Amino acid sequence: AQSVTQPDIHITVSEGASLELRCNYSYGATPYLFWYVQSPGQGLQLLLKYFSGDTLVQGIKGFEAEFKRSQSSFNLRKPSVHWSDAAEYFCAVGGSARQLTFGSGTQLTVLP
Amino acid sequence: ETGVTQSPTHLIKTRGQQVTLRCSSQSGHNTVSWYQQALGQGPQFIFQYYREEENGRGNFPPRFSGLQFPNYSSELNVNALELDDSALYLCASSLRTGSGDEAFFGQGTRLTVV
Repeated sequence: AQSVTQPDIHITVSEGASLELRCNYSYGATPYLFWYVQSPGQGLQLLLKYFSGDTLVQGIKGFEAEFKRSQSSFNLRKPSVHWSDAAEYFCAVGGSARQLTFGSGTQLTVLP
Repeated sequence: ETGVTQSPTHLIKTRGQQVTLRCSSQSGHNTVSWYQQALGQGPQFIFQYYREEENGRGNFPPRFSGLQFPNYSSELNVNALELDDSALYLCASSLRTGSGDEAFFGQGTRLTVV
């Protein structure tokens, strides 16, 4: 069975500081991995995805993530956080985008 | 904005009633998936439709059912509503290419069961 663990329920950072959100997954085959962002009352917006190839993937809004097969991790990073990045972030795994298993999310608060 | 539209945006129903939620997929997409997101949780996969056939189902009871139409739009039906069915219901559309497809989500329907 596939699963996703996001160990940090809530993270607070100051504007301009760097950010790393953790994601660990369990999947029986080569995973397709995704990070989504959700603002209050909104749907999910895709930040980035990993299907194959280069293990460091670039996404929108200055985010990047690194796939580490040996650690079953797909952590999301941003070098300098902006106040508009405050939202909930979800990591997801699936066999393509068809049937995704999501983590429970990390709520990001950005201090001025 | 993704081009995936869901209706209605909000809905209040009484326990035991039935509800139908609708999703219009992004142009050109042939696959629709439905997810349930309870408050404070990540989305949970309900089921998926590909070319009008159910193509996978999560751990949800049979009172959750769906349809996909020839234009690839979709409905989610829930019978005998329970209080725990209160959640944000998300629809996602994708183009099944076999090489890794990206799902685009709608804004969701907020269902409250009282």
